[in-house]
Amino acid sequence: QKEVEQDPGPLSVPEGAIVSLNCTYSNSAFQYFMWYRQYSRKGPELLMYTYSSGNKEDGRFTAQVDKSSKYISLFIRDSQPSDSATYLCAMSPNYAGGTSYGKLTFGQGTILTVHP
Amino acid sequence: DTEVTQTPKHLVMGMTNKKSLKCEQHMGHRAMYWYKQKAKKPPELMFVYSYEKLSINESVPSRFSPECPNSSLLNLHLHALQPEDSALYLCASSRERTGIQHFGDGTRLSIL
Repeated sequence: QKEVEQDPGPLSVPEGAIVSLNCTYSNSAFQYFMWYRQYSRKGPELLMYTYSSGNKEDGRFTAQVDKSSKYISLFIRDSQPSDSATYLCAMSPNYAGGTSYGKLTFGQGTILTVHP
Repeated sequence: DTEVTQTPKHLVMGMTNKKSLKCEQHMGHRAMYWYKQKAKKPPELMFVYSYEKLSINESVPSRFSPECPNSSLLNLHLHALQPEDSALYLCASSRERTGIQHFGDGTRLSIL
């Protein structure tokens, strides 16, 4: 079993739809939860991150973390064709007091297409 | 525009060539990373530098040789690569003690 599971899709939705992307994980030590968006032939772009539990909102994007269920979500409201990309969830422990770098564990990525 | 800059964007090389990939960041981050990414897969960690010292080598073949000349620069020296090494090579950086990494747009490498 992988440490982080993410449905690879592909996911195809009409413009304006609400998109829900999810990841589950098994490592209780994870404290930082990230969502990256990767366009074709580009590097992953940090979209949002959350520390520990809770929700975070940024414009049309909302990230949720439920540590009791080991489940994280990214919601995209009013989806646009420009949101078409691969979305990667990634997680790491809190390294405070330990190492000075953060090793990420990625999900497999979900390919999203928003059609006009 | 990303805050992590990688050059070149594309590289085609033969199996006997020697080339280098370069990465630069000016965010004051003290941890820098090299990743390899194949199509439709997540990035795969290769090396981690922390305070300019190599901290992690994920059992990468010796034909890949990393170098960190200073806190802003990271190089990946390539020699005698194999066709299966064709991939997108990504550089990333992060602040101390967090996994919140910022990626460059990568170098797309093709081995003939």
